[in-house]
Amino acid sequence: NAGVTQTPKFQVLKTGQSMTLQCAQDMNHEYMSWYRQDPGMGLRLIHYSVGAGITDQGEVPNGYNVSRSTTEDFPLRLLSAAPSQTSVYFCAAVSSTEAFFGQGTRLTVV
Amino acid sequence: AQSVTQLGSHVSVSEGALVLLRCNYSSSVPPYLFWYVQYPNQGLQLLLKYTTGATLVKGINGFEAEFKKSETSFHLTKPSAHMSDAAEYFCAVSDFPNAGKSTFGDGTTLTVKP
Repeated sequence: NAGVTQTPKFQVLKTGQSMTLQCAQDMNHEYMSWYRQDPGMGLRLIHYSVGAGITDQGEVPNGYNVSRSTTEDFPLRLLSAAPSQTSVYFCAAVSSTEAFFGQGTRLTVV
Repeated sequence: AQSVTQLGSHVSVSEGALVLLRCNYSSSVPPYLFWYVQYPNQGLQLLLKYTTGATLVKGINGFEAEFKKSETSFHLTKPSAHMSDAAEYFCAVSDFPNAGKSTFGDGTTLTVKP
């Protein structure tokens, strides 16, 4: 049972490049979310999804897109990376009682 | 809007000493409160949570927290620190009992000295 799997673990992008951060869960939870974590700060919610086909914005959605075509997958897209998006990104799958976090993707935009 | 304030970005204790990590929250609705632990290069792991009922909540690894509505606090304690407790700790508040759409504090780094 893998839980929540994020790929890649590390990525370096040039300003203006695009990429997709992958998140997959094998727990069949309807609710999934993306957070970013910056030094000295807690996690901030980017986007979340309450089920396949349904997504909504969190606290810091600008510069990011999401989609949810299946229960298992919740990819996060950066269309044109900016240095301000340098961060550690965490995906979570949420049951009725608990949130389960992946191990994170460390993204650097140069 | 919800918010969380963790008092003290760094806390250092000796092995065997009491651990006290402070968390105050602001919420317009009855809150659901959570404490998470994060070890280096790892994701967050739930320590304990308060949803309803008993205000003293026991979690994993010997940690507990008490919900005090009058003080809007949810401080985390452990009677005797262990070296393995060294990590970063986050307090979070949510409108939902499953921690969906949580607002996190800035975190407290706990150092345990031998």
